[in-house]
Amino acid sequence: GAVVSQHPSWVICKSGTSVKIECRSLDFQATTMFWYRQFPKQSLMLMATSNEGSKATYEQGVEKDKFLINHASLTLSTLTVTSAHPEDSSFYICSARRTSTGELFFGEGSRLTVL
Amino acid sequence: GENVEQHPSTLSVQEGDSAVIKCTYSDSASNYFPWYKQELGKRPQLIIDIRSNVGEKKDQRIAVTLNKTAKHFSLHITETQPEDSAVYFCAVGAGGGNKLTFGTGTQLKVEL
Repeated sequence: GAVVSQHPSWVICKSGTSVKIECRSLDFQATTMFWYRQFPKQSLMLMATSNEGSKATYEQGVEKDKFLINHASLTLSTLTVTSAHPEDSSFYICSARRTSTGELFFGEGSRLTVL
Repeated sequence: GENVEQHPSTLSVQEGDSAVIKCTYSDSASNYFPWYKQELGKRPQLIIDIRSNVGEKKDQRIAVTLNKTAKHFSLHITETQPEDSAVYFCAVGAGGGNKLTFGTGTQLKVEL
């Protein structure tokens, strides 16, 4: 089946630093990818829609200058958490929409801990 | 925007019993209703989905029913097993873009 890989699977960083998370569709092209954030024991909250070759569309309340999204190829989207703070600690999950069929596949998630 | 409510938040059943989880949504334009199972620290796994032109769909022990008029849909798990224990999320999507709004989740515990 289709595979979506996220890297890193977990990361610990100091407050004030930036962290980049990659979401890669390994065996299919994905024009559109989605980034979610999930706090402990809570639901997945959509942060933004990432479109290949164009600017991401952010959900209300999500700071686009803090959560930088780049979707430079049909198989890779990146999320950069800039100037991370402890309240940014969360589980970040991407999903990729297979362009040819419209099916949606989730990455395995990246756990960010900001000290 | 879309508002999705999910009940109950926790559900304990005895092994072999049935479990039912319900979701309601607000946007009548929504036409895609998937259910996901998520184990701790893992990615959500699609277990079943239904589109608005179908009222019911079944896959072995799992079924989903949709009432588009009332804007609610339900997940039914029969003959529950301990390995069914997990958090279940409903989700709602509109159009063909797969932008999903998730419900709040149900922690299902199947007891021996």
